[in-house]
Parts: sequence; C-alpha cells; structure tokens
Amino acid sequence: GAGVSQSPSNKVTEKGKDVELRCDPISGHTALYWYRQSLGQGLEFLIYFQGNSAPDKSGLPSDRFSAERTGGSVSTLTIQRTQQEDSAVYLCASSWGQGAGELFFGEGSRLTVL
Amino acid sequence: GEDVEQSLFLSVREGDSSVINCTYTDSSSTYLYWYKQEPGAGLQLLTYIFSNMDMKQDQRLTVLLNKKDKHLSLRIADTQTGDSAIYFCAEIGNSGNTPLVFGKGTRLSVIA
Repeated sequence: GAGVSQSPSNKVTEKGKDVELRCDPISGHTALYWYRQSLGQGLEFLIYFQGNSAPDKSGLPSDRFSAERTGGSVSTLTIQRTQQEDSAVYLCASSWGQGAGELFFGEGSRLTVL
Repeated sequence: GEDVEQSLFLSVREGDSSVINCTYTDSSSTYLYWYKQEPGAGLQLLTYIFSNMDMKQDQRLTVLLNKKDKHLSLRIADTQTGDSAIYFCAEIGNSGNTPLVFGKGTRLSVIA
C-alpha cells in the first residue's frame, strides 16, 4: 500500500503475556518512529530507527520494551510480560530521513491489557 | 530538554474562528509543526512554519509564531464540523538528529 501499515489494529491480551506489534513503513523511507498515545498523556516518543539502527532508545519505558528493524523496512515493537499500564495506542511513523519534520503515521495498534 | 505545552480542550461554534495555542522551550527549533488527528486515525501534517517567519497563511489556516515568547498559534477561520479533531503542536531541534517532540494535543470540538 501507499501508506504506513500497522498490525494488528486491535490487540487484547492478558497481563503477563508478550505482544508483538508490526509496522510496515512507506517504501523508501529510511527513518521509522514508534510513539505511544495514552489518554491524557499525548504522544510519548519511544524509539526511532535510521535504517536498521536505533540511535535513540531513550523513550523506551522499561526493559520489557524492545524494537527491531530489519532490511531497512519492517519494524517490530515487542512488549514482554505486559502490564495494564501498557494499554495504549502504539503509533508508527516513517519519514525520508532522520530530522525530517514531516512524519507519515499509520493508524496505530490499540493494545488493551486485561 | 525540549517541551511543548498546549491546552487540552477547545470548543467553538460552527462558523467561528478557532485559535489553538502552543508554547515550546527549545529556542533552537528550526521548524514548528501542526498535526491533525481525526478520530480513529493516525496524525497528518497540517502545516508548518520555519523559525525565521512570523506568519504563514494557507487557505483557512493561519500560523503565528512569536519566537521571543516561544509561542505558536494555529487559527482556523470559519471552523467547520469536519475540523473536529485533536491538533498537535510539534517542534524539531536545530541538530536535525532528534525526532519530533509533540505536545499533548488540543481536542477541538465544533458545535453545529
């Protein structure tokens, strides 16, 4: 497709389980970003990739969160041993390069931890 | 560190003007952005302004930048029900290596 694609769009899981969220960026975009959107918290930066490397992991909330990107394309955000406070919408965005201001966002993956 | 502040809610009547305000802390910001998020969707870039400008107009949208006060505003003229959304202010620093820093977003409700 032409836009950023995220899956699953909705995920309900039990506390303690692991989840994987996938992002397929726009073809040719070298930078990829993960943000988290919670009620009342706005957009919280998690991590970004330039190519396959992640220069800035400062936003990952805990060591239960990890992300990888392979082939300069698809990225996976993994949350281990999910907690209720992990419930949020996880948004992925891509851009032509690092430092670009125009980010193209996917529709997000809504995670609910019971 | 960089910080961007916005009020959380704004309610206006259809046909009136809406003004959404934002303050930021990074004086080295080169560009400032407004993104729009419609219900159930991701964010879309609405408009942006370069830091050496103080105003930019684009159809119903007017962006005003006061660098001295680090204040950015977005004015929507003749607000329509389709403008109901969350509006995010964002900045990018001078280094060009940091990702966008977003405010918490202002939820605009347009009453018919």
